[in-house]
Amino acid sequence: AQKVTQAQTEISVVEKEDVTLDCVYETRDTTYYLFWYKQPPSGELVFLIRRNSFDEQNEISGRYSWNFQKSTSSFNFTITASQVVDSAVYFCALSETVTGNQFYFGTGTSLTVIP
Amino acid sequence: GAGVSQSPSNKVTEKGKDVELRCDPISGHTALYWYRQSLGQGLEFLIYFQGNSAPDKSGLPSDRFSAERTGGSVSTLTIQRTQQEDSAVYLCASSAWTSGSSYNEQFFGPGTRLTVL
Repeated sequence: AQKVTQAQTEISVVEKEDVTLDCVYETRDTTYYLFWYKQPPSGELVFLIRRNSFDEQNEISGRYSWNFQKSTSSFNFTITASQVVDSAVYFCALSETVTGNQFYFGTGTSLTVIP
Repeated sequence: GAGVSQSPSNKVTEKGKDVELRCDPISGHTALYWYRQSLGQGLEFLIYFQGNSAPDKSGLPSDRFSAERTGGSVSTLTIQRTQQEDSAVYLCASSAWTSGSSYNEQFFGPGTRLTVL
């Protein structure tokens, strides 16, 4: 079974629109960590955010915001007023403490922002 | 500062040949990871090292794949008798390690694109 599911394979939005990327995870661990990474066309993955399972406070960083809801096992990522530079593949990842330092990545969501 | 580096950036090989992929982690990072990313796919975990030891080898797809790390730094991923299905981008990542922690973010290298003809 997939531990991290990103149901949206591809999304296209017009510049300045808001877009939300969904991430649903599965774990039996009580202590775990969730991540979002961005992979631009250049190919190198870039870390965006980390969240631990005890902190459900939503976070905002500029145009980016993250909504962590344990009740629905979701960790969604919203980009406000999207820009062309946001075009990339975005990966959600889970790290469980019981499995040590292994990370489980979703299959990614390819976002295209049309100018 | 130096990030994670990988070499070669591209490798084309013939089916049946062995290949070695190299990863230089960020200095001081004790955890090192190998992933495989096939075209249009997510990241498939292969193996990780804590120092020179690999507590979890469960992700290696077959016994043709092996990896080692020496001196707590450079790691090599070896694929023996390559097959066409091994064609993918192989990504390496490193992270700092705190005992019992699984939260440290990983810093990724640019990857090695392997093509098996």
